[in-house]
Amino acid sequence: AQSVTQLGSHVSVSEGALVLLRCNYSSSVPPYLFWYVQYPNQGLQLLLKYTTGATLVKGINGFEAEFKKSETSFHLTKPSAHMSDAAEYFCAVTGGTGTASKLTFGTGTRLQVTL
Amino acid sequence: DAGITQSPRYKITETGRQVTLMCHQTWSHSYMFWYRQDLGHGLRLIYYSAAADITDKGEVPDGYVVSRSKTENFPLTLESATRSQTSVYFCASRTSGSTWGEQFFGPGTRLTVL
Repeated sequence: AQSVTQLGSHVSVSEGALVLLRCNYSSSVPPYLFWYVQYPNQGLQLLLKYTTGATLVKGINGFEAEFKKSETSFHLTKPSAHMSDAAEYFCAVTGGTGTASKLTFGTGTRLQVTL
Repeated sequence: DAGITQSPRYKITETGRQVTLMCHQTWSHSYMFWYRQDLGHGLRLIYYSAAADITDKGEVPDGYVVSRSKTENFPLTLESATRSQTSVYFCASRTSGSTWGEQFFGPGTRLTVL
């Protein structure tokens, strides 16, 4: 069984400020972790993923996330927010590649970027 | 159009009517998925398919039917729509060689059941 908790349904930052979106997971097997972004009226787009190997992973648009097993976390960060980053962000977990390892999503965090 | 498309993009129907949402992908991906997105729930898996003629239930399958006679199409049917099925529906696909989490999503269908 697996689950994802995203802390904060809404996050507001100023343009140029640090973006930090929090994600904690629970998984009975080594997790694969993902962040997706959803722009208004669009489908989800994969931002970055962690499967194995390096725990700091980089994604598109300057985002990165660090897998911390001891903290069961996979927080998403970006050093400097841009207006175009305003969107909803979903953390997701799967237990690997088996057919039983379906993707489980968090409830999402809406990021607002202000001037 | 290349990629994954859904039709219609918006649909209003009445309780008890049958509704079919279409999904088409041009990549020949083996796996296809249907999710519903509701406030406070994120995305929940309704059904998925590993290949043509192979489908399986997800987390919330009740009230839905799927079929997959061709690799590129994966329609979702609400046999008798209910108000609780008002939602945004997303179709997704992935290759058999990728991880389960690396999915490509369509633009969604916003369904309102009156």
